[in-house]
Amino acid sequence: DVKVTQSSRYLVKRTGEKVFLECVQDMDHENMFWYRQDPGLGLRLIYFSYDVKMKEKGDIPEGYSVSREKKERFSLILESASTNQTSMYLCASSLQGFGEKLFFGSGTQLSVL
Amino acid sequence: QQQVKQSPQSLIVQKGGISIINCAYENTAFDYFPWYQQFPGKGPALLIAIRPDVSEKKEGRFTISFNKSAKQFSLHIMDSQPGDSATYFCAARPRGNLIFGKGTKLSVKP
Repeated sequence: DVKVTQSSRYLVKRTGEKVFLECVQDMDHENMFWYRQDPGLGLRLIYFSYDVKMKEKGDIPEGYSVSREKKERFSLILESASTNQTSMYLCASSLQGFGEKLFFGSGTQLSVL
Repeated sequence: QQQVKQSPQSLIVQKGGISIINCAYENTAFDYFPWYQQFPGKGPALLIAIRPDVSEKKEGRFTISFNKSAKQFSLHIMDSQPGDSATYFCAARPRGNLIFGKGTKLSVKP
């Protein structure tokens, strides 16, 4: 069965800390995405990657960076966490490009204190 | 920024009733319209999707109705069940990545 695994379900960090959110997919998908989900705001795209070593900014990239050293792994990095980055973070992957049939992980609820 | 406007924000339906969630988009260049279903503690999962060359698509109790001229599409859940209680997101693709609506929390009362 298709699987996207996010390393942590809950994470609590301090303001100013560097935070790594890890995502691994086992479907050999080319495309991977990071979204954040906030109540009343829906899903907003942070970064995406269509190939290893490749990354593109989404709609809200400020304060974030990403790394994709291997096809199956896509990491989201908060260089200096701030309280307004408290959110649910969702990783997704897809076989085809441009948003066809996304498979999501279960999410990481990040709290920045 | 292009938007997809989704309504209502929340919806309560009795078991056996019809749930209807509406979305509107701005750009006629959008070419793919999926609906995602999200249960508490889980990530969204693709439920059903439609392309603009058809006006309706049905999969079991779930139907998408698409009105190209009005730039609107809707999800109908027939014979709604308590197990359908979830948050539903519409989305549209402007020949790039998906743009999601803000979500509708559906509660189906027994």
